[in-house]
Amino acid sequence: NAGVMQNPRHLVRRRGQEARLRCSPMKGHSHVYWYRQLPEEGLKFMVYLQKENIIDESGMPKERFSAEFPKEGPSILRIQQVVRGDSAAYFCASSRQGNEKLFFGSGTQLSVL
Amino acid sequence: GENVEQHPSTLSVQEGDSAVIKCTYSDSASNYFPWYKQELGKRPQLIIDIRSNVGEKKDQRIAVTLNKTAKHFSLHITETQPEDSAVYFCTLINTGTASKLTFGTGTRLQVTL
Repeated sequence: NAGVMQNPRHLVRRRGQEARLRCSPMKGHSHVYWYRQLPEEGLKFMVYLQKENIIDESGMPKERFSAEFPKEGPSILRIQQVVRGDSAAYFCASSRQGNEKLFFGSGTQLSVL
Repeated sequence: GENVEQHPSTLSVQEGDSAVIKCTYSDSASNYFPWYKQELGKRPQLIIDIRSNVGEKKDQRIAVTLNKTAKHFSLHITETQPEDSAVYFCTLINTGTASKLTFGTGTRLQVTL
C-alpha cells in the first residue's frame, strides 16, 4: 500500500507564473489536507477536502490560491501569479475517516525566483 | 480557531537522558492528540497518539500524558538516542466536527553524544 504521493518534489517558478502541486492520497483514503511550512516553523493548515467537496478552507489565502479533489485523480493545490512569499514546503496528508490519523506525503518544495 | 502552545522550542539532552515536551490548549472540545516527528527535510510522521478518555499511553521509549482538566499534554522520551534528534510537533483536533488538525510550534530536540 503506497503512502501519500506528492509531486513534484521540487518546483521552481518565476514570479507571476502558476504553480500546480499534486497529491494522491493513500489507497482507501478519501480525506485530503494541505499544509504549508515555512523554514524553522510549524505546519499551517490551508484546506481540507473530501472527494469533490471543500470541507474547510479557512487557512487558504483569499486570492490566488485554490484547491480541488476531483472524483477521479489527485488533489491539486493551485497557486496563481506566485510571489516570493509563496516559497515554502507544501505538505499533503490523507486520512481514511475525517479527523483521524493523518499520513503525510513527502511534500513539495516550492521556490519562487 | 484552536490554539496550542508548545514548549520548549529547543531542547538539548545527552544520549541516555530523558526529554519532555509540553503543550497546552484552550478548546476543551479537543479530544484527539497525536504527536508527529519530523526529521530534517522529511515528512512529519505520527509517533504516538492519545484520546481524551485516556490519561497516559506508552510505546517502548515514548509515552504521552494528558490532563484534560488542566488542558495540557506532554511527550516523554526516555533513554534518548541520536536518532531521536528531530523536530517534534504536538497536534490536536476535535473529532466530533469537520475540523482540521492544529499543530503546535514545534520543539527541536538535539540528542548529543
